[in-house]
Amino acid sequence: DAGVIQSPRHEVTEMGQEVTLRCKPISGHNSLFWYRQTMMRGLELLIYFNNNVPIDDSGMPEDRFSAKMPNASFSTLKIQPSEPRDSAVYFCASSFVAGDKFYEQYFGPGTRLTVT
Amino acid sequence: AQKITQTQPGMFVQEKEAVTLDCTYDTSDQSYGLFWYKQPSSGEMIFLIYQGSYDEQNATEGRYSLNFQKARKSANLVISASQLGDSAMYFCAMREGTHLNFGNEKLTFGTGTRLTIIP
Repeated sequence: DAGVIQSPRHEVTEMGQEVTLRCKPISGHNSLFWYRQTMMRGLELLIYFNNNVPIDDSGMPEDRFSAKMPNASFSTLKIQPSEPRDSAVYFCASSFVAGDKFYEQYFGPGTRLTVT
Repeated sequence: AQKITQTQPGMFVQEKEAVTLDCTYDTSDQSYGLFWYKQPSSGEMIFLIYQGSYDEQNATEGRYSLNFQKARKSANLVISASQLGDSAMYFCAMREGTHLNFGNEKLTFGTGTRLTIIP
């Protein structure tokens, strides 16, 4: 089975430009997560969805960041306008959640974003 | 306060030896889960092992085992018979309170330990 798919794998853009990152979760999973990884801040959760509904967006840095999940098989993370400090690796992860049982999150390969 | 603490930024271990990676956590919830992930130099995050707070036995997955000491709030990862391919960053993570609060699936990660296996 295909894992979590992210595109693009690498993105280089200039400050001020709009950036859109895309994610396709594993089929059948009902939760989707966006993480950001930097040397300074480590791996931090930006937002997560359950059944396409945003549950916790407290990690979204500011209004320049927005995320959508229009259906169970697709999500986007948009940065507008982008800034050099947004340079990071952005991971999408998905899992299946049912009741109180814990399930691991499966991560995509990440998108390495560089804003110059 | 840090919720997940990994005190070893880097470790060097001889091939075929066992290695223990430390992880301590802080939570007031009774129900929580602890996860270990591996991140090789290629960058992907690979799930290794999970331990639930109500699990009575330590989790094991092949060469990986989790030394869970609830009273001490520690969840150390043990890798037996280390291999060159084990060289990577290792992250400990925690998920809190899901038993009573459905929908709280967020993971909090530690800062990681870089493990290098020496031939």
